[in-house]
Amino acid sequence: GENVEQHPSTLSVQEGDSAVIKCTYSDSASNYFPWYKQELGKGPQLIIDIRSNVGEKKDQRIAVTLNKTAKHFSLHITETQPEDSAVYFCAASIDNDMRFGAGTRLTVKP
Amino acid sequence: EAEVAQSPRYKITEKSQAVAFWCDPISGHATLYWYRQILGQGPELLVQFQDESVVDDSQLPKDRFSAERLKGVDSTLKIQPAELGDSAMYLCASSLLPPPTEAFFGQGTRLTVV
Repeated sequence: GENVEQHPSTLSVQEGDSAVIKCTYSDSASNYFPWYKQELGKGPQLIIDIRSNVGEKKDQRIAVTLNKTAKHFSLHITETQPEDSAVYFCAASIDNDMRFGAGTRLTVKP
Repeated sequence: EAEVAQSPRYKITEKSQAVAFWCDPISGHATLYWYRQILGQGPELLVQFQDESVVDDSQLPKDRFSAERLKGVDSTLKIQPAELGDSAMYLCASSLLPPPTEAFFGQGTRLTVV
């Protein structure tokens, strides 16, 4: 089955700096790659997603890039704010099967 | 804004007891998922429903776990008997379309087995 690895496990940045989280996946048939943000005591919330026929997608301060050849994808957050502090999960999906990474705890220091 | 509702938010139970969790998906969402999230890890799929039918329960420990969605709307996940290793967050999610597509998560039920 699909295996998703996520790095780093923790990330601390200064407010205003950029943050990058990277994920790799094992199955080249994966075709959908969402990113979720989970705040303390809440369920994960989708922040951006990308499909395998697209190389990059941007939504305001958030962008995701996908390299199908290398089987990795990344989340980029620019101009970070304290409210961006949370745990971020990547996932890779083949049809019904979606596997999550272990998560990255992002801390944005004011 | 429509949300996935789950109850209870927290549950403490003794090992060997039975426990049940309830989920009400966003209205109109035909696909419903139950995930288990162990502290410090990503969610893992337990079972997926399309309307009232089970699409995938390959990761559901069927000797103790059961799930149903009788009328294709709300769903119940049961554990009997509970074991210490079942302590985790149980998340319900729903989507309008079958995967791969955006899934909307509820706030989860935090289960502690003592």
